[in-house]
Amino acid sequence: KNEVEQSPQNLTAQEGEFITINCSYSVGISALHWLQQHPGGGIVSLFMLSSGKKKHGRLIATINIQEKHSSLHITASHPRDSAVYICAVNPTDKLIFGTGTRLQVFP
Amino acid sequence: GAGVSQTPSNKVTEKGKYVELRCDPISGHTALYWYRQSLGQGPEFLIYFQGTGAADDSGLPNDRFFAVRPEGSVSTLKIQRTERGDSAVYLCASSLKGPQGWGYNEQFFGPGTRLTVL
Repeated sequence: KNEVEQSPQNLTAQEGEFITINCSYSVGISALHWLQQHPGGGIVSLFMLSSGKKKHGRLIATINIQEKHSSLHITASHPRDSAVYICAVNPTDKLIFGTGTRLQVFP
Repeated sequence: GAGVSQTPSNKVTEKGKYVELRCDPISGHTALYWYRQSLGQGPEFLIYFQGTGAADDSGLPNDRFFAVRPEGSVSTLKIQRTERGDSAVYLCASSLKGPQGWGYNEQFFGPGTRLTVL
């Protein structure tokens, strides 16, 4: 069993839909990261959180430390949101990554 | 300002050859990380440096892999006797060290080097 699991693996949506991507982890952590990776591109950090909720534009990330679970929400999705979204955790000083959720948003 | 850069962006080599991959971190970032990402998978940790020293190299798959950071800035990942299974995107990231430790710091990723071993 992977230490970081994401669901769903693949997600398609129509423009404007509300999207949720889930991440569960099985280790104690100091922080959880949500990252975005475009095809053929590098990785961009979206959020780093250790408790509660963070919001940036149309993106919202929440974490429940007791349940070892985090969610990434995208409101009013747009085709430019199409990318792979990766959850990663810091149990120590290195990141352990999930396998990612591939999101495609169609106009 | 300049982000993390990696060279080359693509490297094609033959089985058994030696390759070097370079990472230039963000100026002033004391932590540097190497990851490997195979097709359709999330990145896997290889090694991380705190300054010039390798603080954790537990992710290196075997002794064909080695990395250095002699002056605490640029790092080179070296792979000897390459195998087809080494084909992947090699990612480098850097971060500052905050007062609460490394785990609280945002990592900034480079664009990666795509290594193909024929």
